Amino acid sequence: RKEVEQDPGPFNVPEGATVAFNCTYSNSASQSFFWYRQDCRKEPKLLMSVYSSGNEDGRFTAQLNRASQYISLLIRDSKLSDSATYLCVVNGNAGNMLTFGGGTRLMVKP
Amino acid sequence: SAVISQKPSRDICQRGTSLTIQCQVDSQVTMMFWYRQQPGQSLTLIATANQGSEATYESGFVIDKFPISRPNLTFSTLTVSNMSPEDSSIYLCSVVATSGGDEQFFGPGTRLTVL
Repeated sequence: RKEVEQDPGPFNVPEGATVAFNCTYSNSASQSFFWYRQDCRKEPKLLMSVYSSGNEDGRFTAQLNRASQYISLLIRDSKLSDSATYLCVVNGNAGNMLTFGGGTRLMVKP
Repeated sequence: SAVISQKPSRDICQRGTSLTIQCQVDSQVTMMFWYRQQPGQSLTLIATANQGSEATYESGFVIDKFPISRPNLTFSTLTVSNMSPEDSSIYLCSVVATSGGDEQFFGPGTRLTVL
């Protein structure tokens, strides 16, 4: 079993749609959780950290369920510019080492 | 977030040669890392670059193949030695800012093609 698993997609959605990505992780001792966004041929960029209480940043909402070892990202009112690969990232308990999921590709179409 | 630059941005190299990639940060950072992203894949951690001591390598990566230097808190190099086509990849450095959080920020990457 992979340490961080994501549905690779692609998710093809129309502009304005709401789309949700899920991610599961295997290390129950994981401490920190993140969603990164990676555009084609670019480096990953931090989208948001994920907190146990859930957090929202504009159209983006992230939630963490520690009991189920499950992380989600919800994007509302999708824009064309949201098209990218979304990486679920987990930080274990050993010195800031990040483990990346395989990424979920999102394509927003007009 | 820190501003991170990498040199070269891309290179095409011959089999058997070595390439050294530089990572420069605009501020002092405690933690620096080197990752590899092979075509169509996600990122894999190669090693943690430790200032003043040997790098800490992840399983599957060894110092002879990927020697790393970290002479100070703003700079690190990764060398890909005795390259083969399987080393064709994007190599990225990342840092943890010293502001207290544990978010990592990535450099723009070095796209390496080995012929």
